[in-house]
Formats: sequence, C-alpha cells, structure tokens
Amino acid sequence: AQSVTQPDIHITVSEGASLELRCNYSYGATPYLFWYVQSPGQGLQLLLKYFSGDTLVQGIKGFEAEFKRSQSSFNLRKPSVHWSDAAEYFCAVVNNAGKSTFGDGTTLTVKP
Amino acid sequence: NAGVTQTPKFRILKIGQSMTLQCAQDMNHNYMYWYRQDPGMGLKLIYYSVGAGITDKGEVPNGYNVSRSTTEDFPLRLELAAPSQTSVYFCASSSASEGAPDTQYFGPGTRLTVL
Repeated sequence: AQSVTQPDIHITVSEGASLELRCNYSYGATPYLFWYVQSPGQGLQLLLKYFSGDTLVQGIKGFEAEFKRSQSSFNLRKPSVHWSDAAEYFCAVVNNAGKSTFGDGTTLTVKP
Repeated sequence: NAGVTQTPKFRILKIGQSMTLQCAQDMNHNYMYWYRQDPGMGLKLIYYSVGAGITDKGEVPNGYNVSRSTTEDFPLRLELAAPSQTSVYFCASSSASEGAPDTQYFGPGTRLTVL
C-alpha cells in the first residue's frame, strides 16, 4: 500500500531564511508526487508536481522540490521565506489507478 | 469556469440522520475525489472515481457511499451520521496527464458537525 510521511509536524523559520520540508513516500512503482499548500480556512492549491524527467522541479511562489528515488523522498525547498508563506503544506502521492494518499502535513510559521 | 463547487458549506446533523454532500465540476475532468480533513490532520481519501460509472474505496470509506452517474457530479452520501463523521469534507477533481491523474483542484469544503 502506498503511504506518505511528513516527519515534521511544525516548523518555524525566520523571514528571509531558507526552508526545507521533508516528504518520504512508499510506493512500488514510479510515483506521481505533488506538494500542495493550504492557507487557513482555504482549500488546497498546487505548488508543484513530479511525474518524470528532471528530478528537480520548480513550482509557484519560488518553491522547488527534488525527487530522490534512492531515498524515497520528495523534499520541498525555498531559498528565502516570506511571511505570506505561513500555511500548511501537504505532500501527496498518486498511483496510476488514480488513488491518492496525502501526508499529515507540516505547519509552517514564519517569524518576523 | 466555476471549477469545483460543493454544497452545502456548513451543516449540523443529529446522530442517525442522513445527508448528501454535493460536488460538481465543470472542467470535464475524469477523476474525482472525496476527502475528509479532521482538525490538525491531513486529508484522508474516502472514495474516488476515475470516470462516470466507476467508483472505488479510499482509505476511510466506512459510513459513506458515492455514485458517479455523470462526469460532472460526484455526490457523497452519509447514512446514519455519527459524531466520528464530524469533519471538513473536500471534493476534488483532476484531468489526466501522461496517463496519470494530474493536479487536483479542490472545492471550498463542507464543514459538517454531528451532534
């Protein structure tokens, strides 16, 4: 069965600092991987996705993520965090039959 | 395009009542999903559909039923509501890309309380 683990429940960073949010997945075949962001009281919005090809993918708002098959990871990064990045971040894996699994999320707090 | 719409936005049910959460999308997406999100938790997949007439169970299907008679609509039925079903429910849809489900577009959610 597929699964997603986001080891960090809550991360606090200072504005302007770099950010890395961890995501580990378990899936037997090539995974389709996604990062979504959820602002308070809102639905989810796609940040970026990986299907195949270049393992470093760029997303919106200056985010990027790197797919590492050997580590079963798809960590999200941003070089310089802005106060507006405070939100909850979810990693997800979808199989080619359409079934999706989300991690429990990481809450990002940005200190001024 | 309205995207993914959900009704109602809020609902309070009594234990044992039933209701249907409506979800519709106007993007001609094949894939549709129902999730529940409990406070401080991630999204748990209840049911999903890969096209009209085809549905499958997700991670937490007990106490729920779905149908997909059209591409646009994917209602979620709660029978005999229980307090454990108090949650926020999100519907989502996606198209396919490279033979796989692509980005999911989410509705605004339905906040359900069962008392």
